[in-house]
Amino acid sequence: GAGVSQSPSNKVTEKGKDVELRCDPISGHTALYWYRQRLGQGLEFLIYFQGNSAPDKSGLPSDRFSAERTGESVSTLTIQRTQQEDSAVYLCASSLERTGSEAFFGQGTRLTVV
Amino acid sequence: AQSVTQPDIHITVSEGASLELRCNYSYGATPYLFWYVQSPGQGLQLLLKYFSGDTLVQGIKGFEAEFKRSQSSFNLRKPSVHWSDAAEYFCAVGGLYTDKLIFGTGTRLQVFP
Repeated sequence: GAGVSQSPSNKVTEKGKDVELRCDPISGHTALYWYRQRLGQGLEFLIYFQGNSAPDKSGLPSDRFSAERTGESVSTLTIQRTQQEDSAVYLCASSLERTGSEAFFGQGTRLTVV
Repeated sequence: AQSVTQPDIHITVSEGASLELRCNYSYGATPYLFWYVQSPGQGLQLLLKYFSGDTLVQGIKGFEAEFKRSQSSFNLRKPSVHWSDAAEYFCAVGGLYTDKLIFGTGTRLQVFP
């Protein structure tokens, strides 16, 4: 596609439920990033993929968070047993390679846990 | 450890005034530095980036930034601000030996007519 696409754009879920957030990167981009942006905060790094591998998962806040990438394309971020503190905008970005090239961001998924 | 500090949370300027947004970074090797802008309800857009070479880089929308290694800074400037520049601005640092882009907490810019 022309840009990074994220779905859903908005998600309201009940505390304790699992959610899946999807990211479709720009075709051909080997690097893919997930960030979390809480209200009034900066971008918090969650995980980085190079191809289908995740060499850096250090930003995942707990074992309730996991992510995968398949076909060097689509990535899914899964949050299990959601908590209210998980409420945030989850941003996905992709780039041609590692941090040497520009990262293009999607519009984000706004997650609200009630 | 890799980090970025944007000391100004909120800045207000009048339209037509000059602007400087501060960014200080910490990185153990030569950094790659970026400024992104996030307009309300929009995704992040790259304004400019520094990898090497000339320490004064020009970006889109009339913005420029200067890399000062001695001060570990990469401040963003614009000589004359327009009302449409009102947005959140993020500085980020990456590098050859890291897989992460680390962002600062952002500076919210308000522009008064």
